[in-house]
Amino acid sequence: DGGITQSPKYLFRKEGQNVTLSCEQNLNHDAMYWYRQDPGQGLRLIYYSQIVNDFQKGDIAEGYSVSREKKESFPLTVTSAQKNPTAFYLCASSTSGTGSYEQYFGPGTRLTVT
Amino acid sequence: AQSVAQPEDQVNVAEGNPLTVKCTYSVSGNPYLFWYVQYPNRGLQFLLKYITGDNLVKGSYGFEAEFNKSQTSFHLKKPSALVSDSALYFCAVRDIKAAGNKLTFGGGTRVLVKP
Repeated sequence: DGGITQSPKYLFRKEGQNVTLSCEQNLNHDAMYWYRQDPGQGLRLIYYSQIVNDFQKGDIAEGYSVSREKKESFPLTVTSAQKNPTAFYLCASSTSGTGSYEQYFGPGTRLTVT
Repeated sequence: AQSVAQPEDQVNVAEGNPLTVKCTYSVSGNPYLFWYVQYPNRGLQFLLKYITGDNLVKGSYGFEAEFNKSQTSFHLKKPSALVSDSALYFCAVRDIKAAGNKLTFGGGTRVLVKP
């Protein structure tokens, strides 16, 4: 988990509220990613960014938004439009480009919406 | 399109016995392949990757993986499992020709090593 921090570790919100998850990295990576993990399922890509001020939708972007104003930071907002937001959220970063670059993951944020 | 399958939801093995976690993939071109491990309530930790060349890749914590192009497989192996290897293991693939660095992950295999 070194080099990527996610806060908070646990987050509780009421239904209908937007919530922002923090992700910071000090690995000097250009690319950053947000994944969602549900019990018994693999990781699903929400959004990714290859460079500052640019990002693309992943496979399950509906109900989420992101920004990439700084290289080190890639916050994820879970909006009230996300129908089932309770999940474990993982942020990752990597060197950008077409090489065989592994992604490095943060410790995750467990979001519970009631 | 790229995809990964991990056919076993769980693998049980006795400590000291060999451990194998299966992974098959599908890409239109040549693959980059990765294995990650996840401990409870933690992020994923990188174990090893296949780029090109030697089909047997050695990684962290005594793990290795064998790339088999004809069978489109990349099985993770450890000669002698430890109780501390009990965790969730993910295989991931990226098509070399795909733009960006998007990985596709398998559904994960839970490994339980019994003392």
